[in-house]
Amino acid sequence: RKEVEQDPGPFNVPEGATVAFNCTYSNSASQSFFWYRQDCRKEPKLLMSVYSSGNEDGRFTAQLNRASQYISLLIRDSKLSDSATYLCVVNKVAGYSTLTFGKGTMLLVSP
Amino acid sequence: ETGVTQTPRHLVMGMTNKKSLKCEQHLGHNAMYWYKQSAKKPLELMFVYSLEERVENNSVPSRFSPECPNSSHLFLHLHTLQPEDSALYLCASSHVTSVGNDTQYFGPGTRLTVL
Repeated sequence: RKEVEQDPGPFNVPEGATVAFNCTYSNSASQSFFWYRQDCRKEPKLLMSVYSSGNEDGRFTAQLNRASQYISLLIRDSKLSDSATYLCVVNKVAGYSTLTFGKGTMLLVSP
Repeated sequence: ETGVTQTPRHLVMGMTNKKSLKCEQHLGHNAMYWYKQSAKKPLELMFVYSLEERVENNSVPSRFSPECPNSSHLFLHLHTLQPEDSALYLCASSHVTSVGNDTQYFGPGTRLTVL
């Protein structure tokens, strides 16, 4: 089983749509969780951290289910500028952080 | 913009060349990382330096040699690379705390092509 698994997509959605991405992870020792965004030929940038209680940042909502080892990202009212690859990332800390990345899910938002 | 810079941004080298990638962070972080991103593969962690000491080496071939002279600078020395080493090499930094929920910030990467 892959350490972090995501549907690669692409997800093609019209502007204004709501889209959800899912991610599963295999290492139950993982301690913190993130969604990063990567634009084509650019570096990954942190989108948001993910907490067990769920957290929201504007149009973005992230959820974590530790029991099922499952992470989700919901994007409401999609914008053209949301087109990117969304990376699910889990972190294991042992004096320093060790991030494990999924392959990413590509989102294409069209007019 | 992110406080992590990398040079060069693009590099083309032959298999017999020796080159170095440079990373500098201006964020006051205490840990630095090298990642490799190949096409259609997830980012792979190569090396971790925490407080200038190498703490992780993920079975990386010896033709990649990291160096961390101080907490702000990280190098990746390359020699006798193979074409399959062509990839985007990303540097990141973070401030590791006892809580552990530190965020890694990435540089723009060096796109390496080995001929």
